[in-house]
Amino acid sequence: KNQVEQSPQSLIILEGKNCTLQCNYTVSPFSNLRWYKQDTGRGPVSLTIMTFSENTKSNGRYTATLDADTKQSSLHITASQLSDSASYICVVGTTGNQFYFGTGTSLTVIP
Amino acid sequence: DVKVTQSSRYLVKRTGEKVFLECVQDMDHENMFWYRQDPGLGLRLIYFSYDVKMKEKGDIPEGYSVSREKKERFSLILESASTNQTSMYLCASSLGAGQSSYEQYFGPGTRLTVT
Repeated sequence: KNQVEQSPQSLIILEGKNCTLQCNYTVSPFSNLRWYKQDTGRGPVSLTIMTFSENTKSNGRYTATLDADTKQSSLHITASQLSDSASYICVVGTTGNQFYFGTGTSLTVIP
Repeated sequence: DVKVTQSSRYLVKRTGEKVFLECVQDMDHENMFWYRQDPGLGLRLIYFSYDVKMKEKGDIPEGYSVSREKKERFSLILESASTNQTSMYLCASSLGAGQSSYEQYFGPGTRLTVT
């Protein structure tokens, strides 16, 4: 069964600290993996997209990694800011143009 | 910048009413999608379209229909709204018919409450 699981479900960190969010998937045939940031009450906004051959991609303070062998991805946030408080969603796309969404990690950054 | 707009941010409707949710994208994207998002369940695909007048059922199409008469516009229709359709509805678009490597761009969402 094609599934995307994210952990932790929620996370609270102090401003300025780093954190890592996890995404494990069992989706096949794999095409790409994306991380989205969704602010409360808004639509998701793309942070990174990685294909099979890419194992890391950065977008400012956000760095995503992908291990296609173990079917795991992580999103690392460096020097967190209050504006990083949001839900982070992992999405895996197949070669058949289907998308599988994780349920997201809710991150709260406190001063 | 790609822009995906949705007709309403918040909507309150009564049970049994016919509800129209409109989505417009301004980047000539072939693909358009409708999702609903509920706490703990993530985004679930309702319908998608790869071309004008073309539609495909997603994972949860029951109780919904769609219309795509023009390339830039994709409408979601609730024929007879029910309370279990209270949810956040998100529209998305992307380039490339059948190309899942292209990024999806999401609209701001419509929070629908059915009473």
